[in-house]
Amino acid sequence: SQQGEEDPQALSIQEGENATMNCSYKTSINNLQWYRQNSGRGLVHLILIRSNEREKHSGRLRVTLDTSKKSSSLLITASRAADTASYFCATDAIGNTPLVFGKGTRLSVIA
Amino acid sequence: KAGVTQTPRYLIKTRGQQVTLSCSPISGHRSVSWYQQTPGQGLQFLFEYFSETQRNKGNFPGRFSGRQFSNSRSEMNVSTLELGDSALYLCASSLAGTGGEGYTFGSGTRLTVV
Repeated sequence: SQQGEEDPQALSIQEGENATMNCSYKTSINNLQWYRQNSGRGLVHLILIRSNEREKHSGRLRVTLDTSKKSSSLLITASRAADTASYFCATDAIGNTPLVFGKGTRLSVIA
Repeated sequence: KAGVTQTPRYLIKTRGQQVTLSCSPISGHRSVSWYQQTPGQGLQFLFEYFSETQRNKGNFPGRFSGRQFSNSRSEMNVSTLELGDSALYLCASSLAGTGGEGYTFGSGTRLTVV
């Protein structure tokens, strides 16, 4: 079953614009991760944020986490056509629990 | 270093048959997790193996099984295939299998059941 729910389901923007995707989850988490998947391929790990962190940056990516609202957002700045992909959030709970994925946001960046 | 290798990449099987998929994790990684991805259900967790032991199991019928060998390579088996088993099967490797590290995914095995 899905723990995270991404919003929106699909997003279309022009190259150079910023893209923001949101993830909401239901139960307390230990960590939250974001992954990218290009069409029909494996997932690529982008960034991990721990439950005691509020914000993290990696290159053009900025992730925020609000545990009181049980939500996270992924911001991609100055998007490129190569950023076109599906983006998933994934969460785990305390203990050796599996990583549970949301259904993803499909991002299209138009050149 | 070599990534996660899944074989085969594509597979077509008939209803009622069985299938075995293979996953070779990154050298040194002891945890292998398997996921089923379909357009309708998204990424569903199947099971996770750590040091040859199944540590977590998702909500799938007993037709889905797996194992892990001493070299950390893992196989999953689906018996008595159904049309609904058509999916992309992904494996992911990690050092310890906790959510405190990023997982490295293979490219997946695309299974089509006809």
